[in-house]
Amino acid sequence: EVQLVESGGGLVQPGGSLRLSCIASGFTFSSYAMTWVRQAPGKGLEWVSAIVRSGESTYYADSVKGRFIISRDNSKNIMYLQLHSLRAEDTAVYYCAKLSQGTMGALGDWGQGTLVTVSS
Amino acid sequence: IGMTQSPATLFVSPGERATLSCRASQSVSRNLAWYQQKSGQAPRLLIYDASIRATGIPGRFSGSGSGTEFTLTISSLQSEDFALYYCQQYNKWPPLTFGGGTKVEIK
Repeated sequence: EVQLVESGGGLVQPGGSLRLSCIASGFTFSSYAMTWVRQAPGKGLEWVSAIVRSGESTYYADSVKGRFIISRDNSKNIMYLQLHSLRAEDTAVYYCAKLSQGTMGALGDWGQGTLVTVSS
Repeated sequence: IGMTQSPATLFVSPGERATLSCRASQSVSRNLAWYQQKSGQAPRLLIYDASIRATGIPGRFSGSGSGTEFTLTISSLQSEDFALYYCQQYNKWPPLTFGGGTKVEIK
C-alpha cells in the first residue's frame, strides 16, 4: 500500500523558514516523479513544485520560485520542501503527491498534508 | 493553461445524476484528471486521461471530453459523493493547473 506522510509544518513568522518532509513507502520511490500541492484555508488546490525521479530537474510555481527548494533522497525514500522568506499568503496545507504511472501528470496518491501557518 | 469549472455549486438530490464541467483555456488533449475532496481530507484521484477510472473508483463516476471541454458525470449520487471536485490539466506543465472546484451539495 502506497503511503505518503508529510511532516514539518507549523507556525512561523513572516520572513521565516521551514522544511517540510514527505516520507514515502509501499512503492519504488526512485521510480516516480513527485510533487507538492498546497491548499490555502477555504481555497482550491495550487501546484507548488515538482521533482523528477533522479532529482536532477526541479520545477516551481511562479509564486514560490526563488523562495522554495524541492529535493529528494532516494536512499531514504524522502522528499523535502524548504520554504524560505515566508509570506502570509503561503499559509496552507501542503500535500505531497506521487505522479501516477503511465500518465503525464495525474496525481494518484496523496499524503494527509501538513499545515503551514505564516503569522506574527 | 487556465482551468474553469462550472457550476461553482451544484445542488443534487440523492439518486440523481450530477454533471460537472471543466473548460481549459487551450487544448489539453485528453490529459485531464478529476479529483474528489471531502472536508478535512486529501484529494483522491477519480479519473485520469479524461475518461479512465482510477483503481477502486465506482462505475457511477465517468469522465468524457477532449481538447478544451470536459465533463465528470456521477450517474446516481450516493451520500458519500457529496464533496468538492477538481479538474487538473497535465498536458503542458509546469505548471500543473487545477480548476477552482465544484461543490456538490444535497438538494
